Amino acid sequence: QKEVEQDPGPLSVPEGAIVSLNCTYSNSAFQYFMWYRQYSRKGPELLMYTYSSGNKEDGRFTAQVDKSSKYISLFIRDSQPSDSATYLCAISTQGGSEKLVFGKGTKLTVNP
Amino acid sequence: ETGVTQTPRHLVMGMTNKKSLKCEQHLGHNAMYWYKQSAKKPLELMFVYNFKEQTENNSVPSRFSPECPNSSHLFLHLHTLQPEDSALYLCASSQEGRSVDEQYFGPGTRLTVT
Repeated sequence: QKEVEQDPGPLSVPEGAIVSLNCTYSNSAFQYFMWYRQYSRKGPELLMYTYSSGNKEDGRFTAQVDKSSKYISLFIRDSQPSDSATYLCAISTQGGSEKLVFGKGTKLTVNP
Repeated sequence: ETGVTQTPRHLVMGMTNKKSLKCEQHLGHNAMYWYKQSAKKPLELMFVYNFKEQTENNSVPSRFSPECPNSSHLFLHLHTLQPEDSALYLCASSQEGRSVDEQYFGPGTRLTVT
């Protein structure tokens, strides 16, 4: 079983839709959960960062962690064409020198 | 220049060539990383340097050789590569080498091995 599973998509939605992006993981020791966004021909950039369980909101973006189900989500409200990118989840355990484990990334296209 | 820069942006090389990828960060960070990004695969960590010392070598074949002369520069020397090494190679930096530190990525070098 892979450490982090993420459906690569592609996912295509109309402008204004609510988007749900998800990852599942196998290691219950994971505590730090991140979402990176990668535009075409660019490197990834950190979008959201949560520690342990719960929700975190930043504008149109909400990151949700359910540790009991080992499931993390990123919701995008009122999606815009500028949200078209690949979204990668990234997970870590204790936050020390161990490496960050990335999902495959989900390619999202928001159509005007 | 700001952020993390990488050169060249595109590289085509034969299996017998030797080439180098260059990364430079202008953020004052102490840790630098090399990642390999292939289609439909997770981002693969290759090497980590923390305060110029290599702290991670993720079982990378010896045909990839990193070099970190100072905290701002990172190189990846390539020789006798295979076609399956074709990928996007991303460099990143962070304040320290902790996995929870935000990593700042460069735009990558698109490598094609013929």
